[in-house]
Amino acid sequence: AQSVTQLGSHVSVSEGALVLLRCNYSSSVPPYLFWYVQYPNQGLQLLLKYTTGATLVKGINGFEAEFKKSETSFHLTKPSAHMSDAAEYFCAVSDGSGKYIFGTGTRLKVLA
Amino acid sequence: EPEVTQTPSHQVTQMGQEVILRCVPISNHLYFYWYRQILGQKVEFLVSFYNNEISEKSEIFDDQFSVERPDGSNFTLKIRSTKLEDSAMYFCAARTAGETQYFGPGTRLLVL
Repeated sequence: AQSVTQLGSHVSVSEGALVLLRCNYSSSVPPYLFWYVQYPNQGLQLLLKYTTGATLVKGINGFEAEFKKSETSFHLTKPSAHMSDAAEYFCAVSDGSGKYIFGTGTRLKVLA
Repeated sequence: EPEVTQTPSHQVTQMGQEVILRCVPISNHLYFYWYRQILGQKVEFLVSFYNNEISEKSEIFDDQFSVERPDGSNFTLKIRSTKLEDSAMYFCAARTAGETQYFGPGTRLLVL
C-alpha cells in the first residue's frame, strides 16, 4: 500500500530564505508524485508532478522537487521564499490505480 | 483555461438530512473522484468513478454515501443521512487518461 510522510507540520522561513518541505513516500510500484498547494479557504492547486523521466521537476511559482528513488523522497524546494508562498503544501502519491494518497500537509509561514 | 467547478461553496445542514454536492468536471475528463478534508486534517480519498461505475471506494464511503453522473456532466456526491462527523471540506477531482487530477475549489459542509 502507498503512504506519504511529510516531516514537519509547520515550517517557518524568513522572506528570501530557502524553502525546503520534506516528503517521503512508500510505494510497491513506481510512483507518480505530486505537490499541491492550498491557500486559505481555497482548493488544491497543482504545483508540480513527477511521473517518469527527469527526476528534477520544475513547477509553478519557482518551486521544484527532486525524485530520489534510493531515498524514497520527493522534497519540495524554492531558493527564495516570498510572502505569497505562505500556504499549506500537500505531497501526494498515486500508484497508477488513480486515487491519490496525501500526506498530512505542511503549513509554511514566511516571516518578514 | 477550463476548471473543475463545485456547488455549493458552503452548505449548512441539520444532522440526519440529505445533502447533494455537485461537481462539473472539464468536458474531456473521464475519471472522477471525491475526497474530503476534515478541518485541520489531511485530504482523504472517498471514491473513484469511471464509465458510470464506482472503481474504488474507501472505508469512509459507507452506505450513507452514493455517487452518480446522471446527465453526463454533473458528478454528484450524496450523503443520505448526515452525521456531525461528516462536517468537512469535500473536493471533487477529475482527470483524463493521464495521472494528473484537477481539483475543484471544494464544498465546505457543516452538519449541526
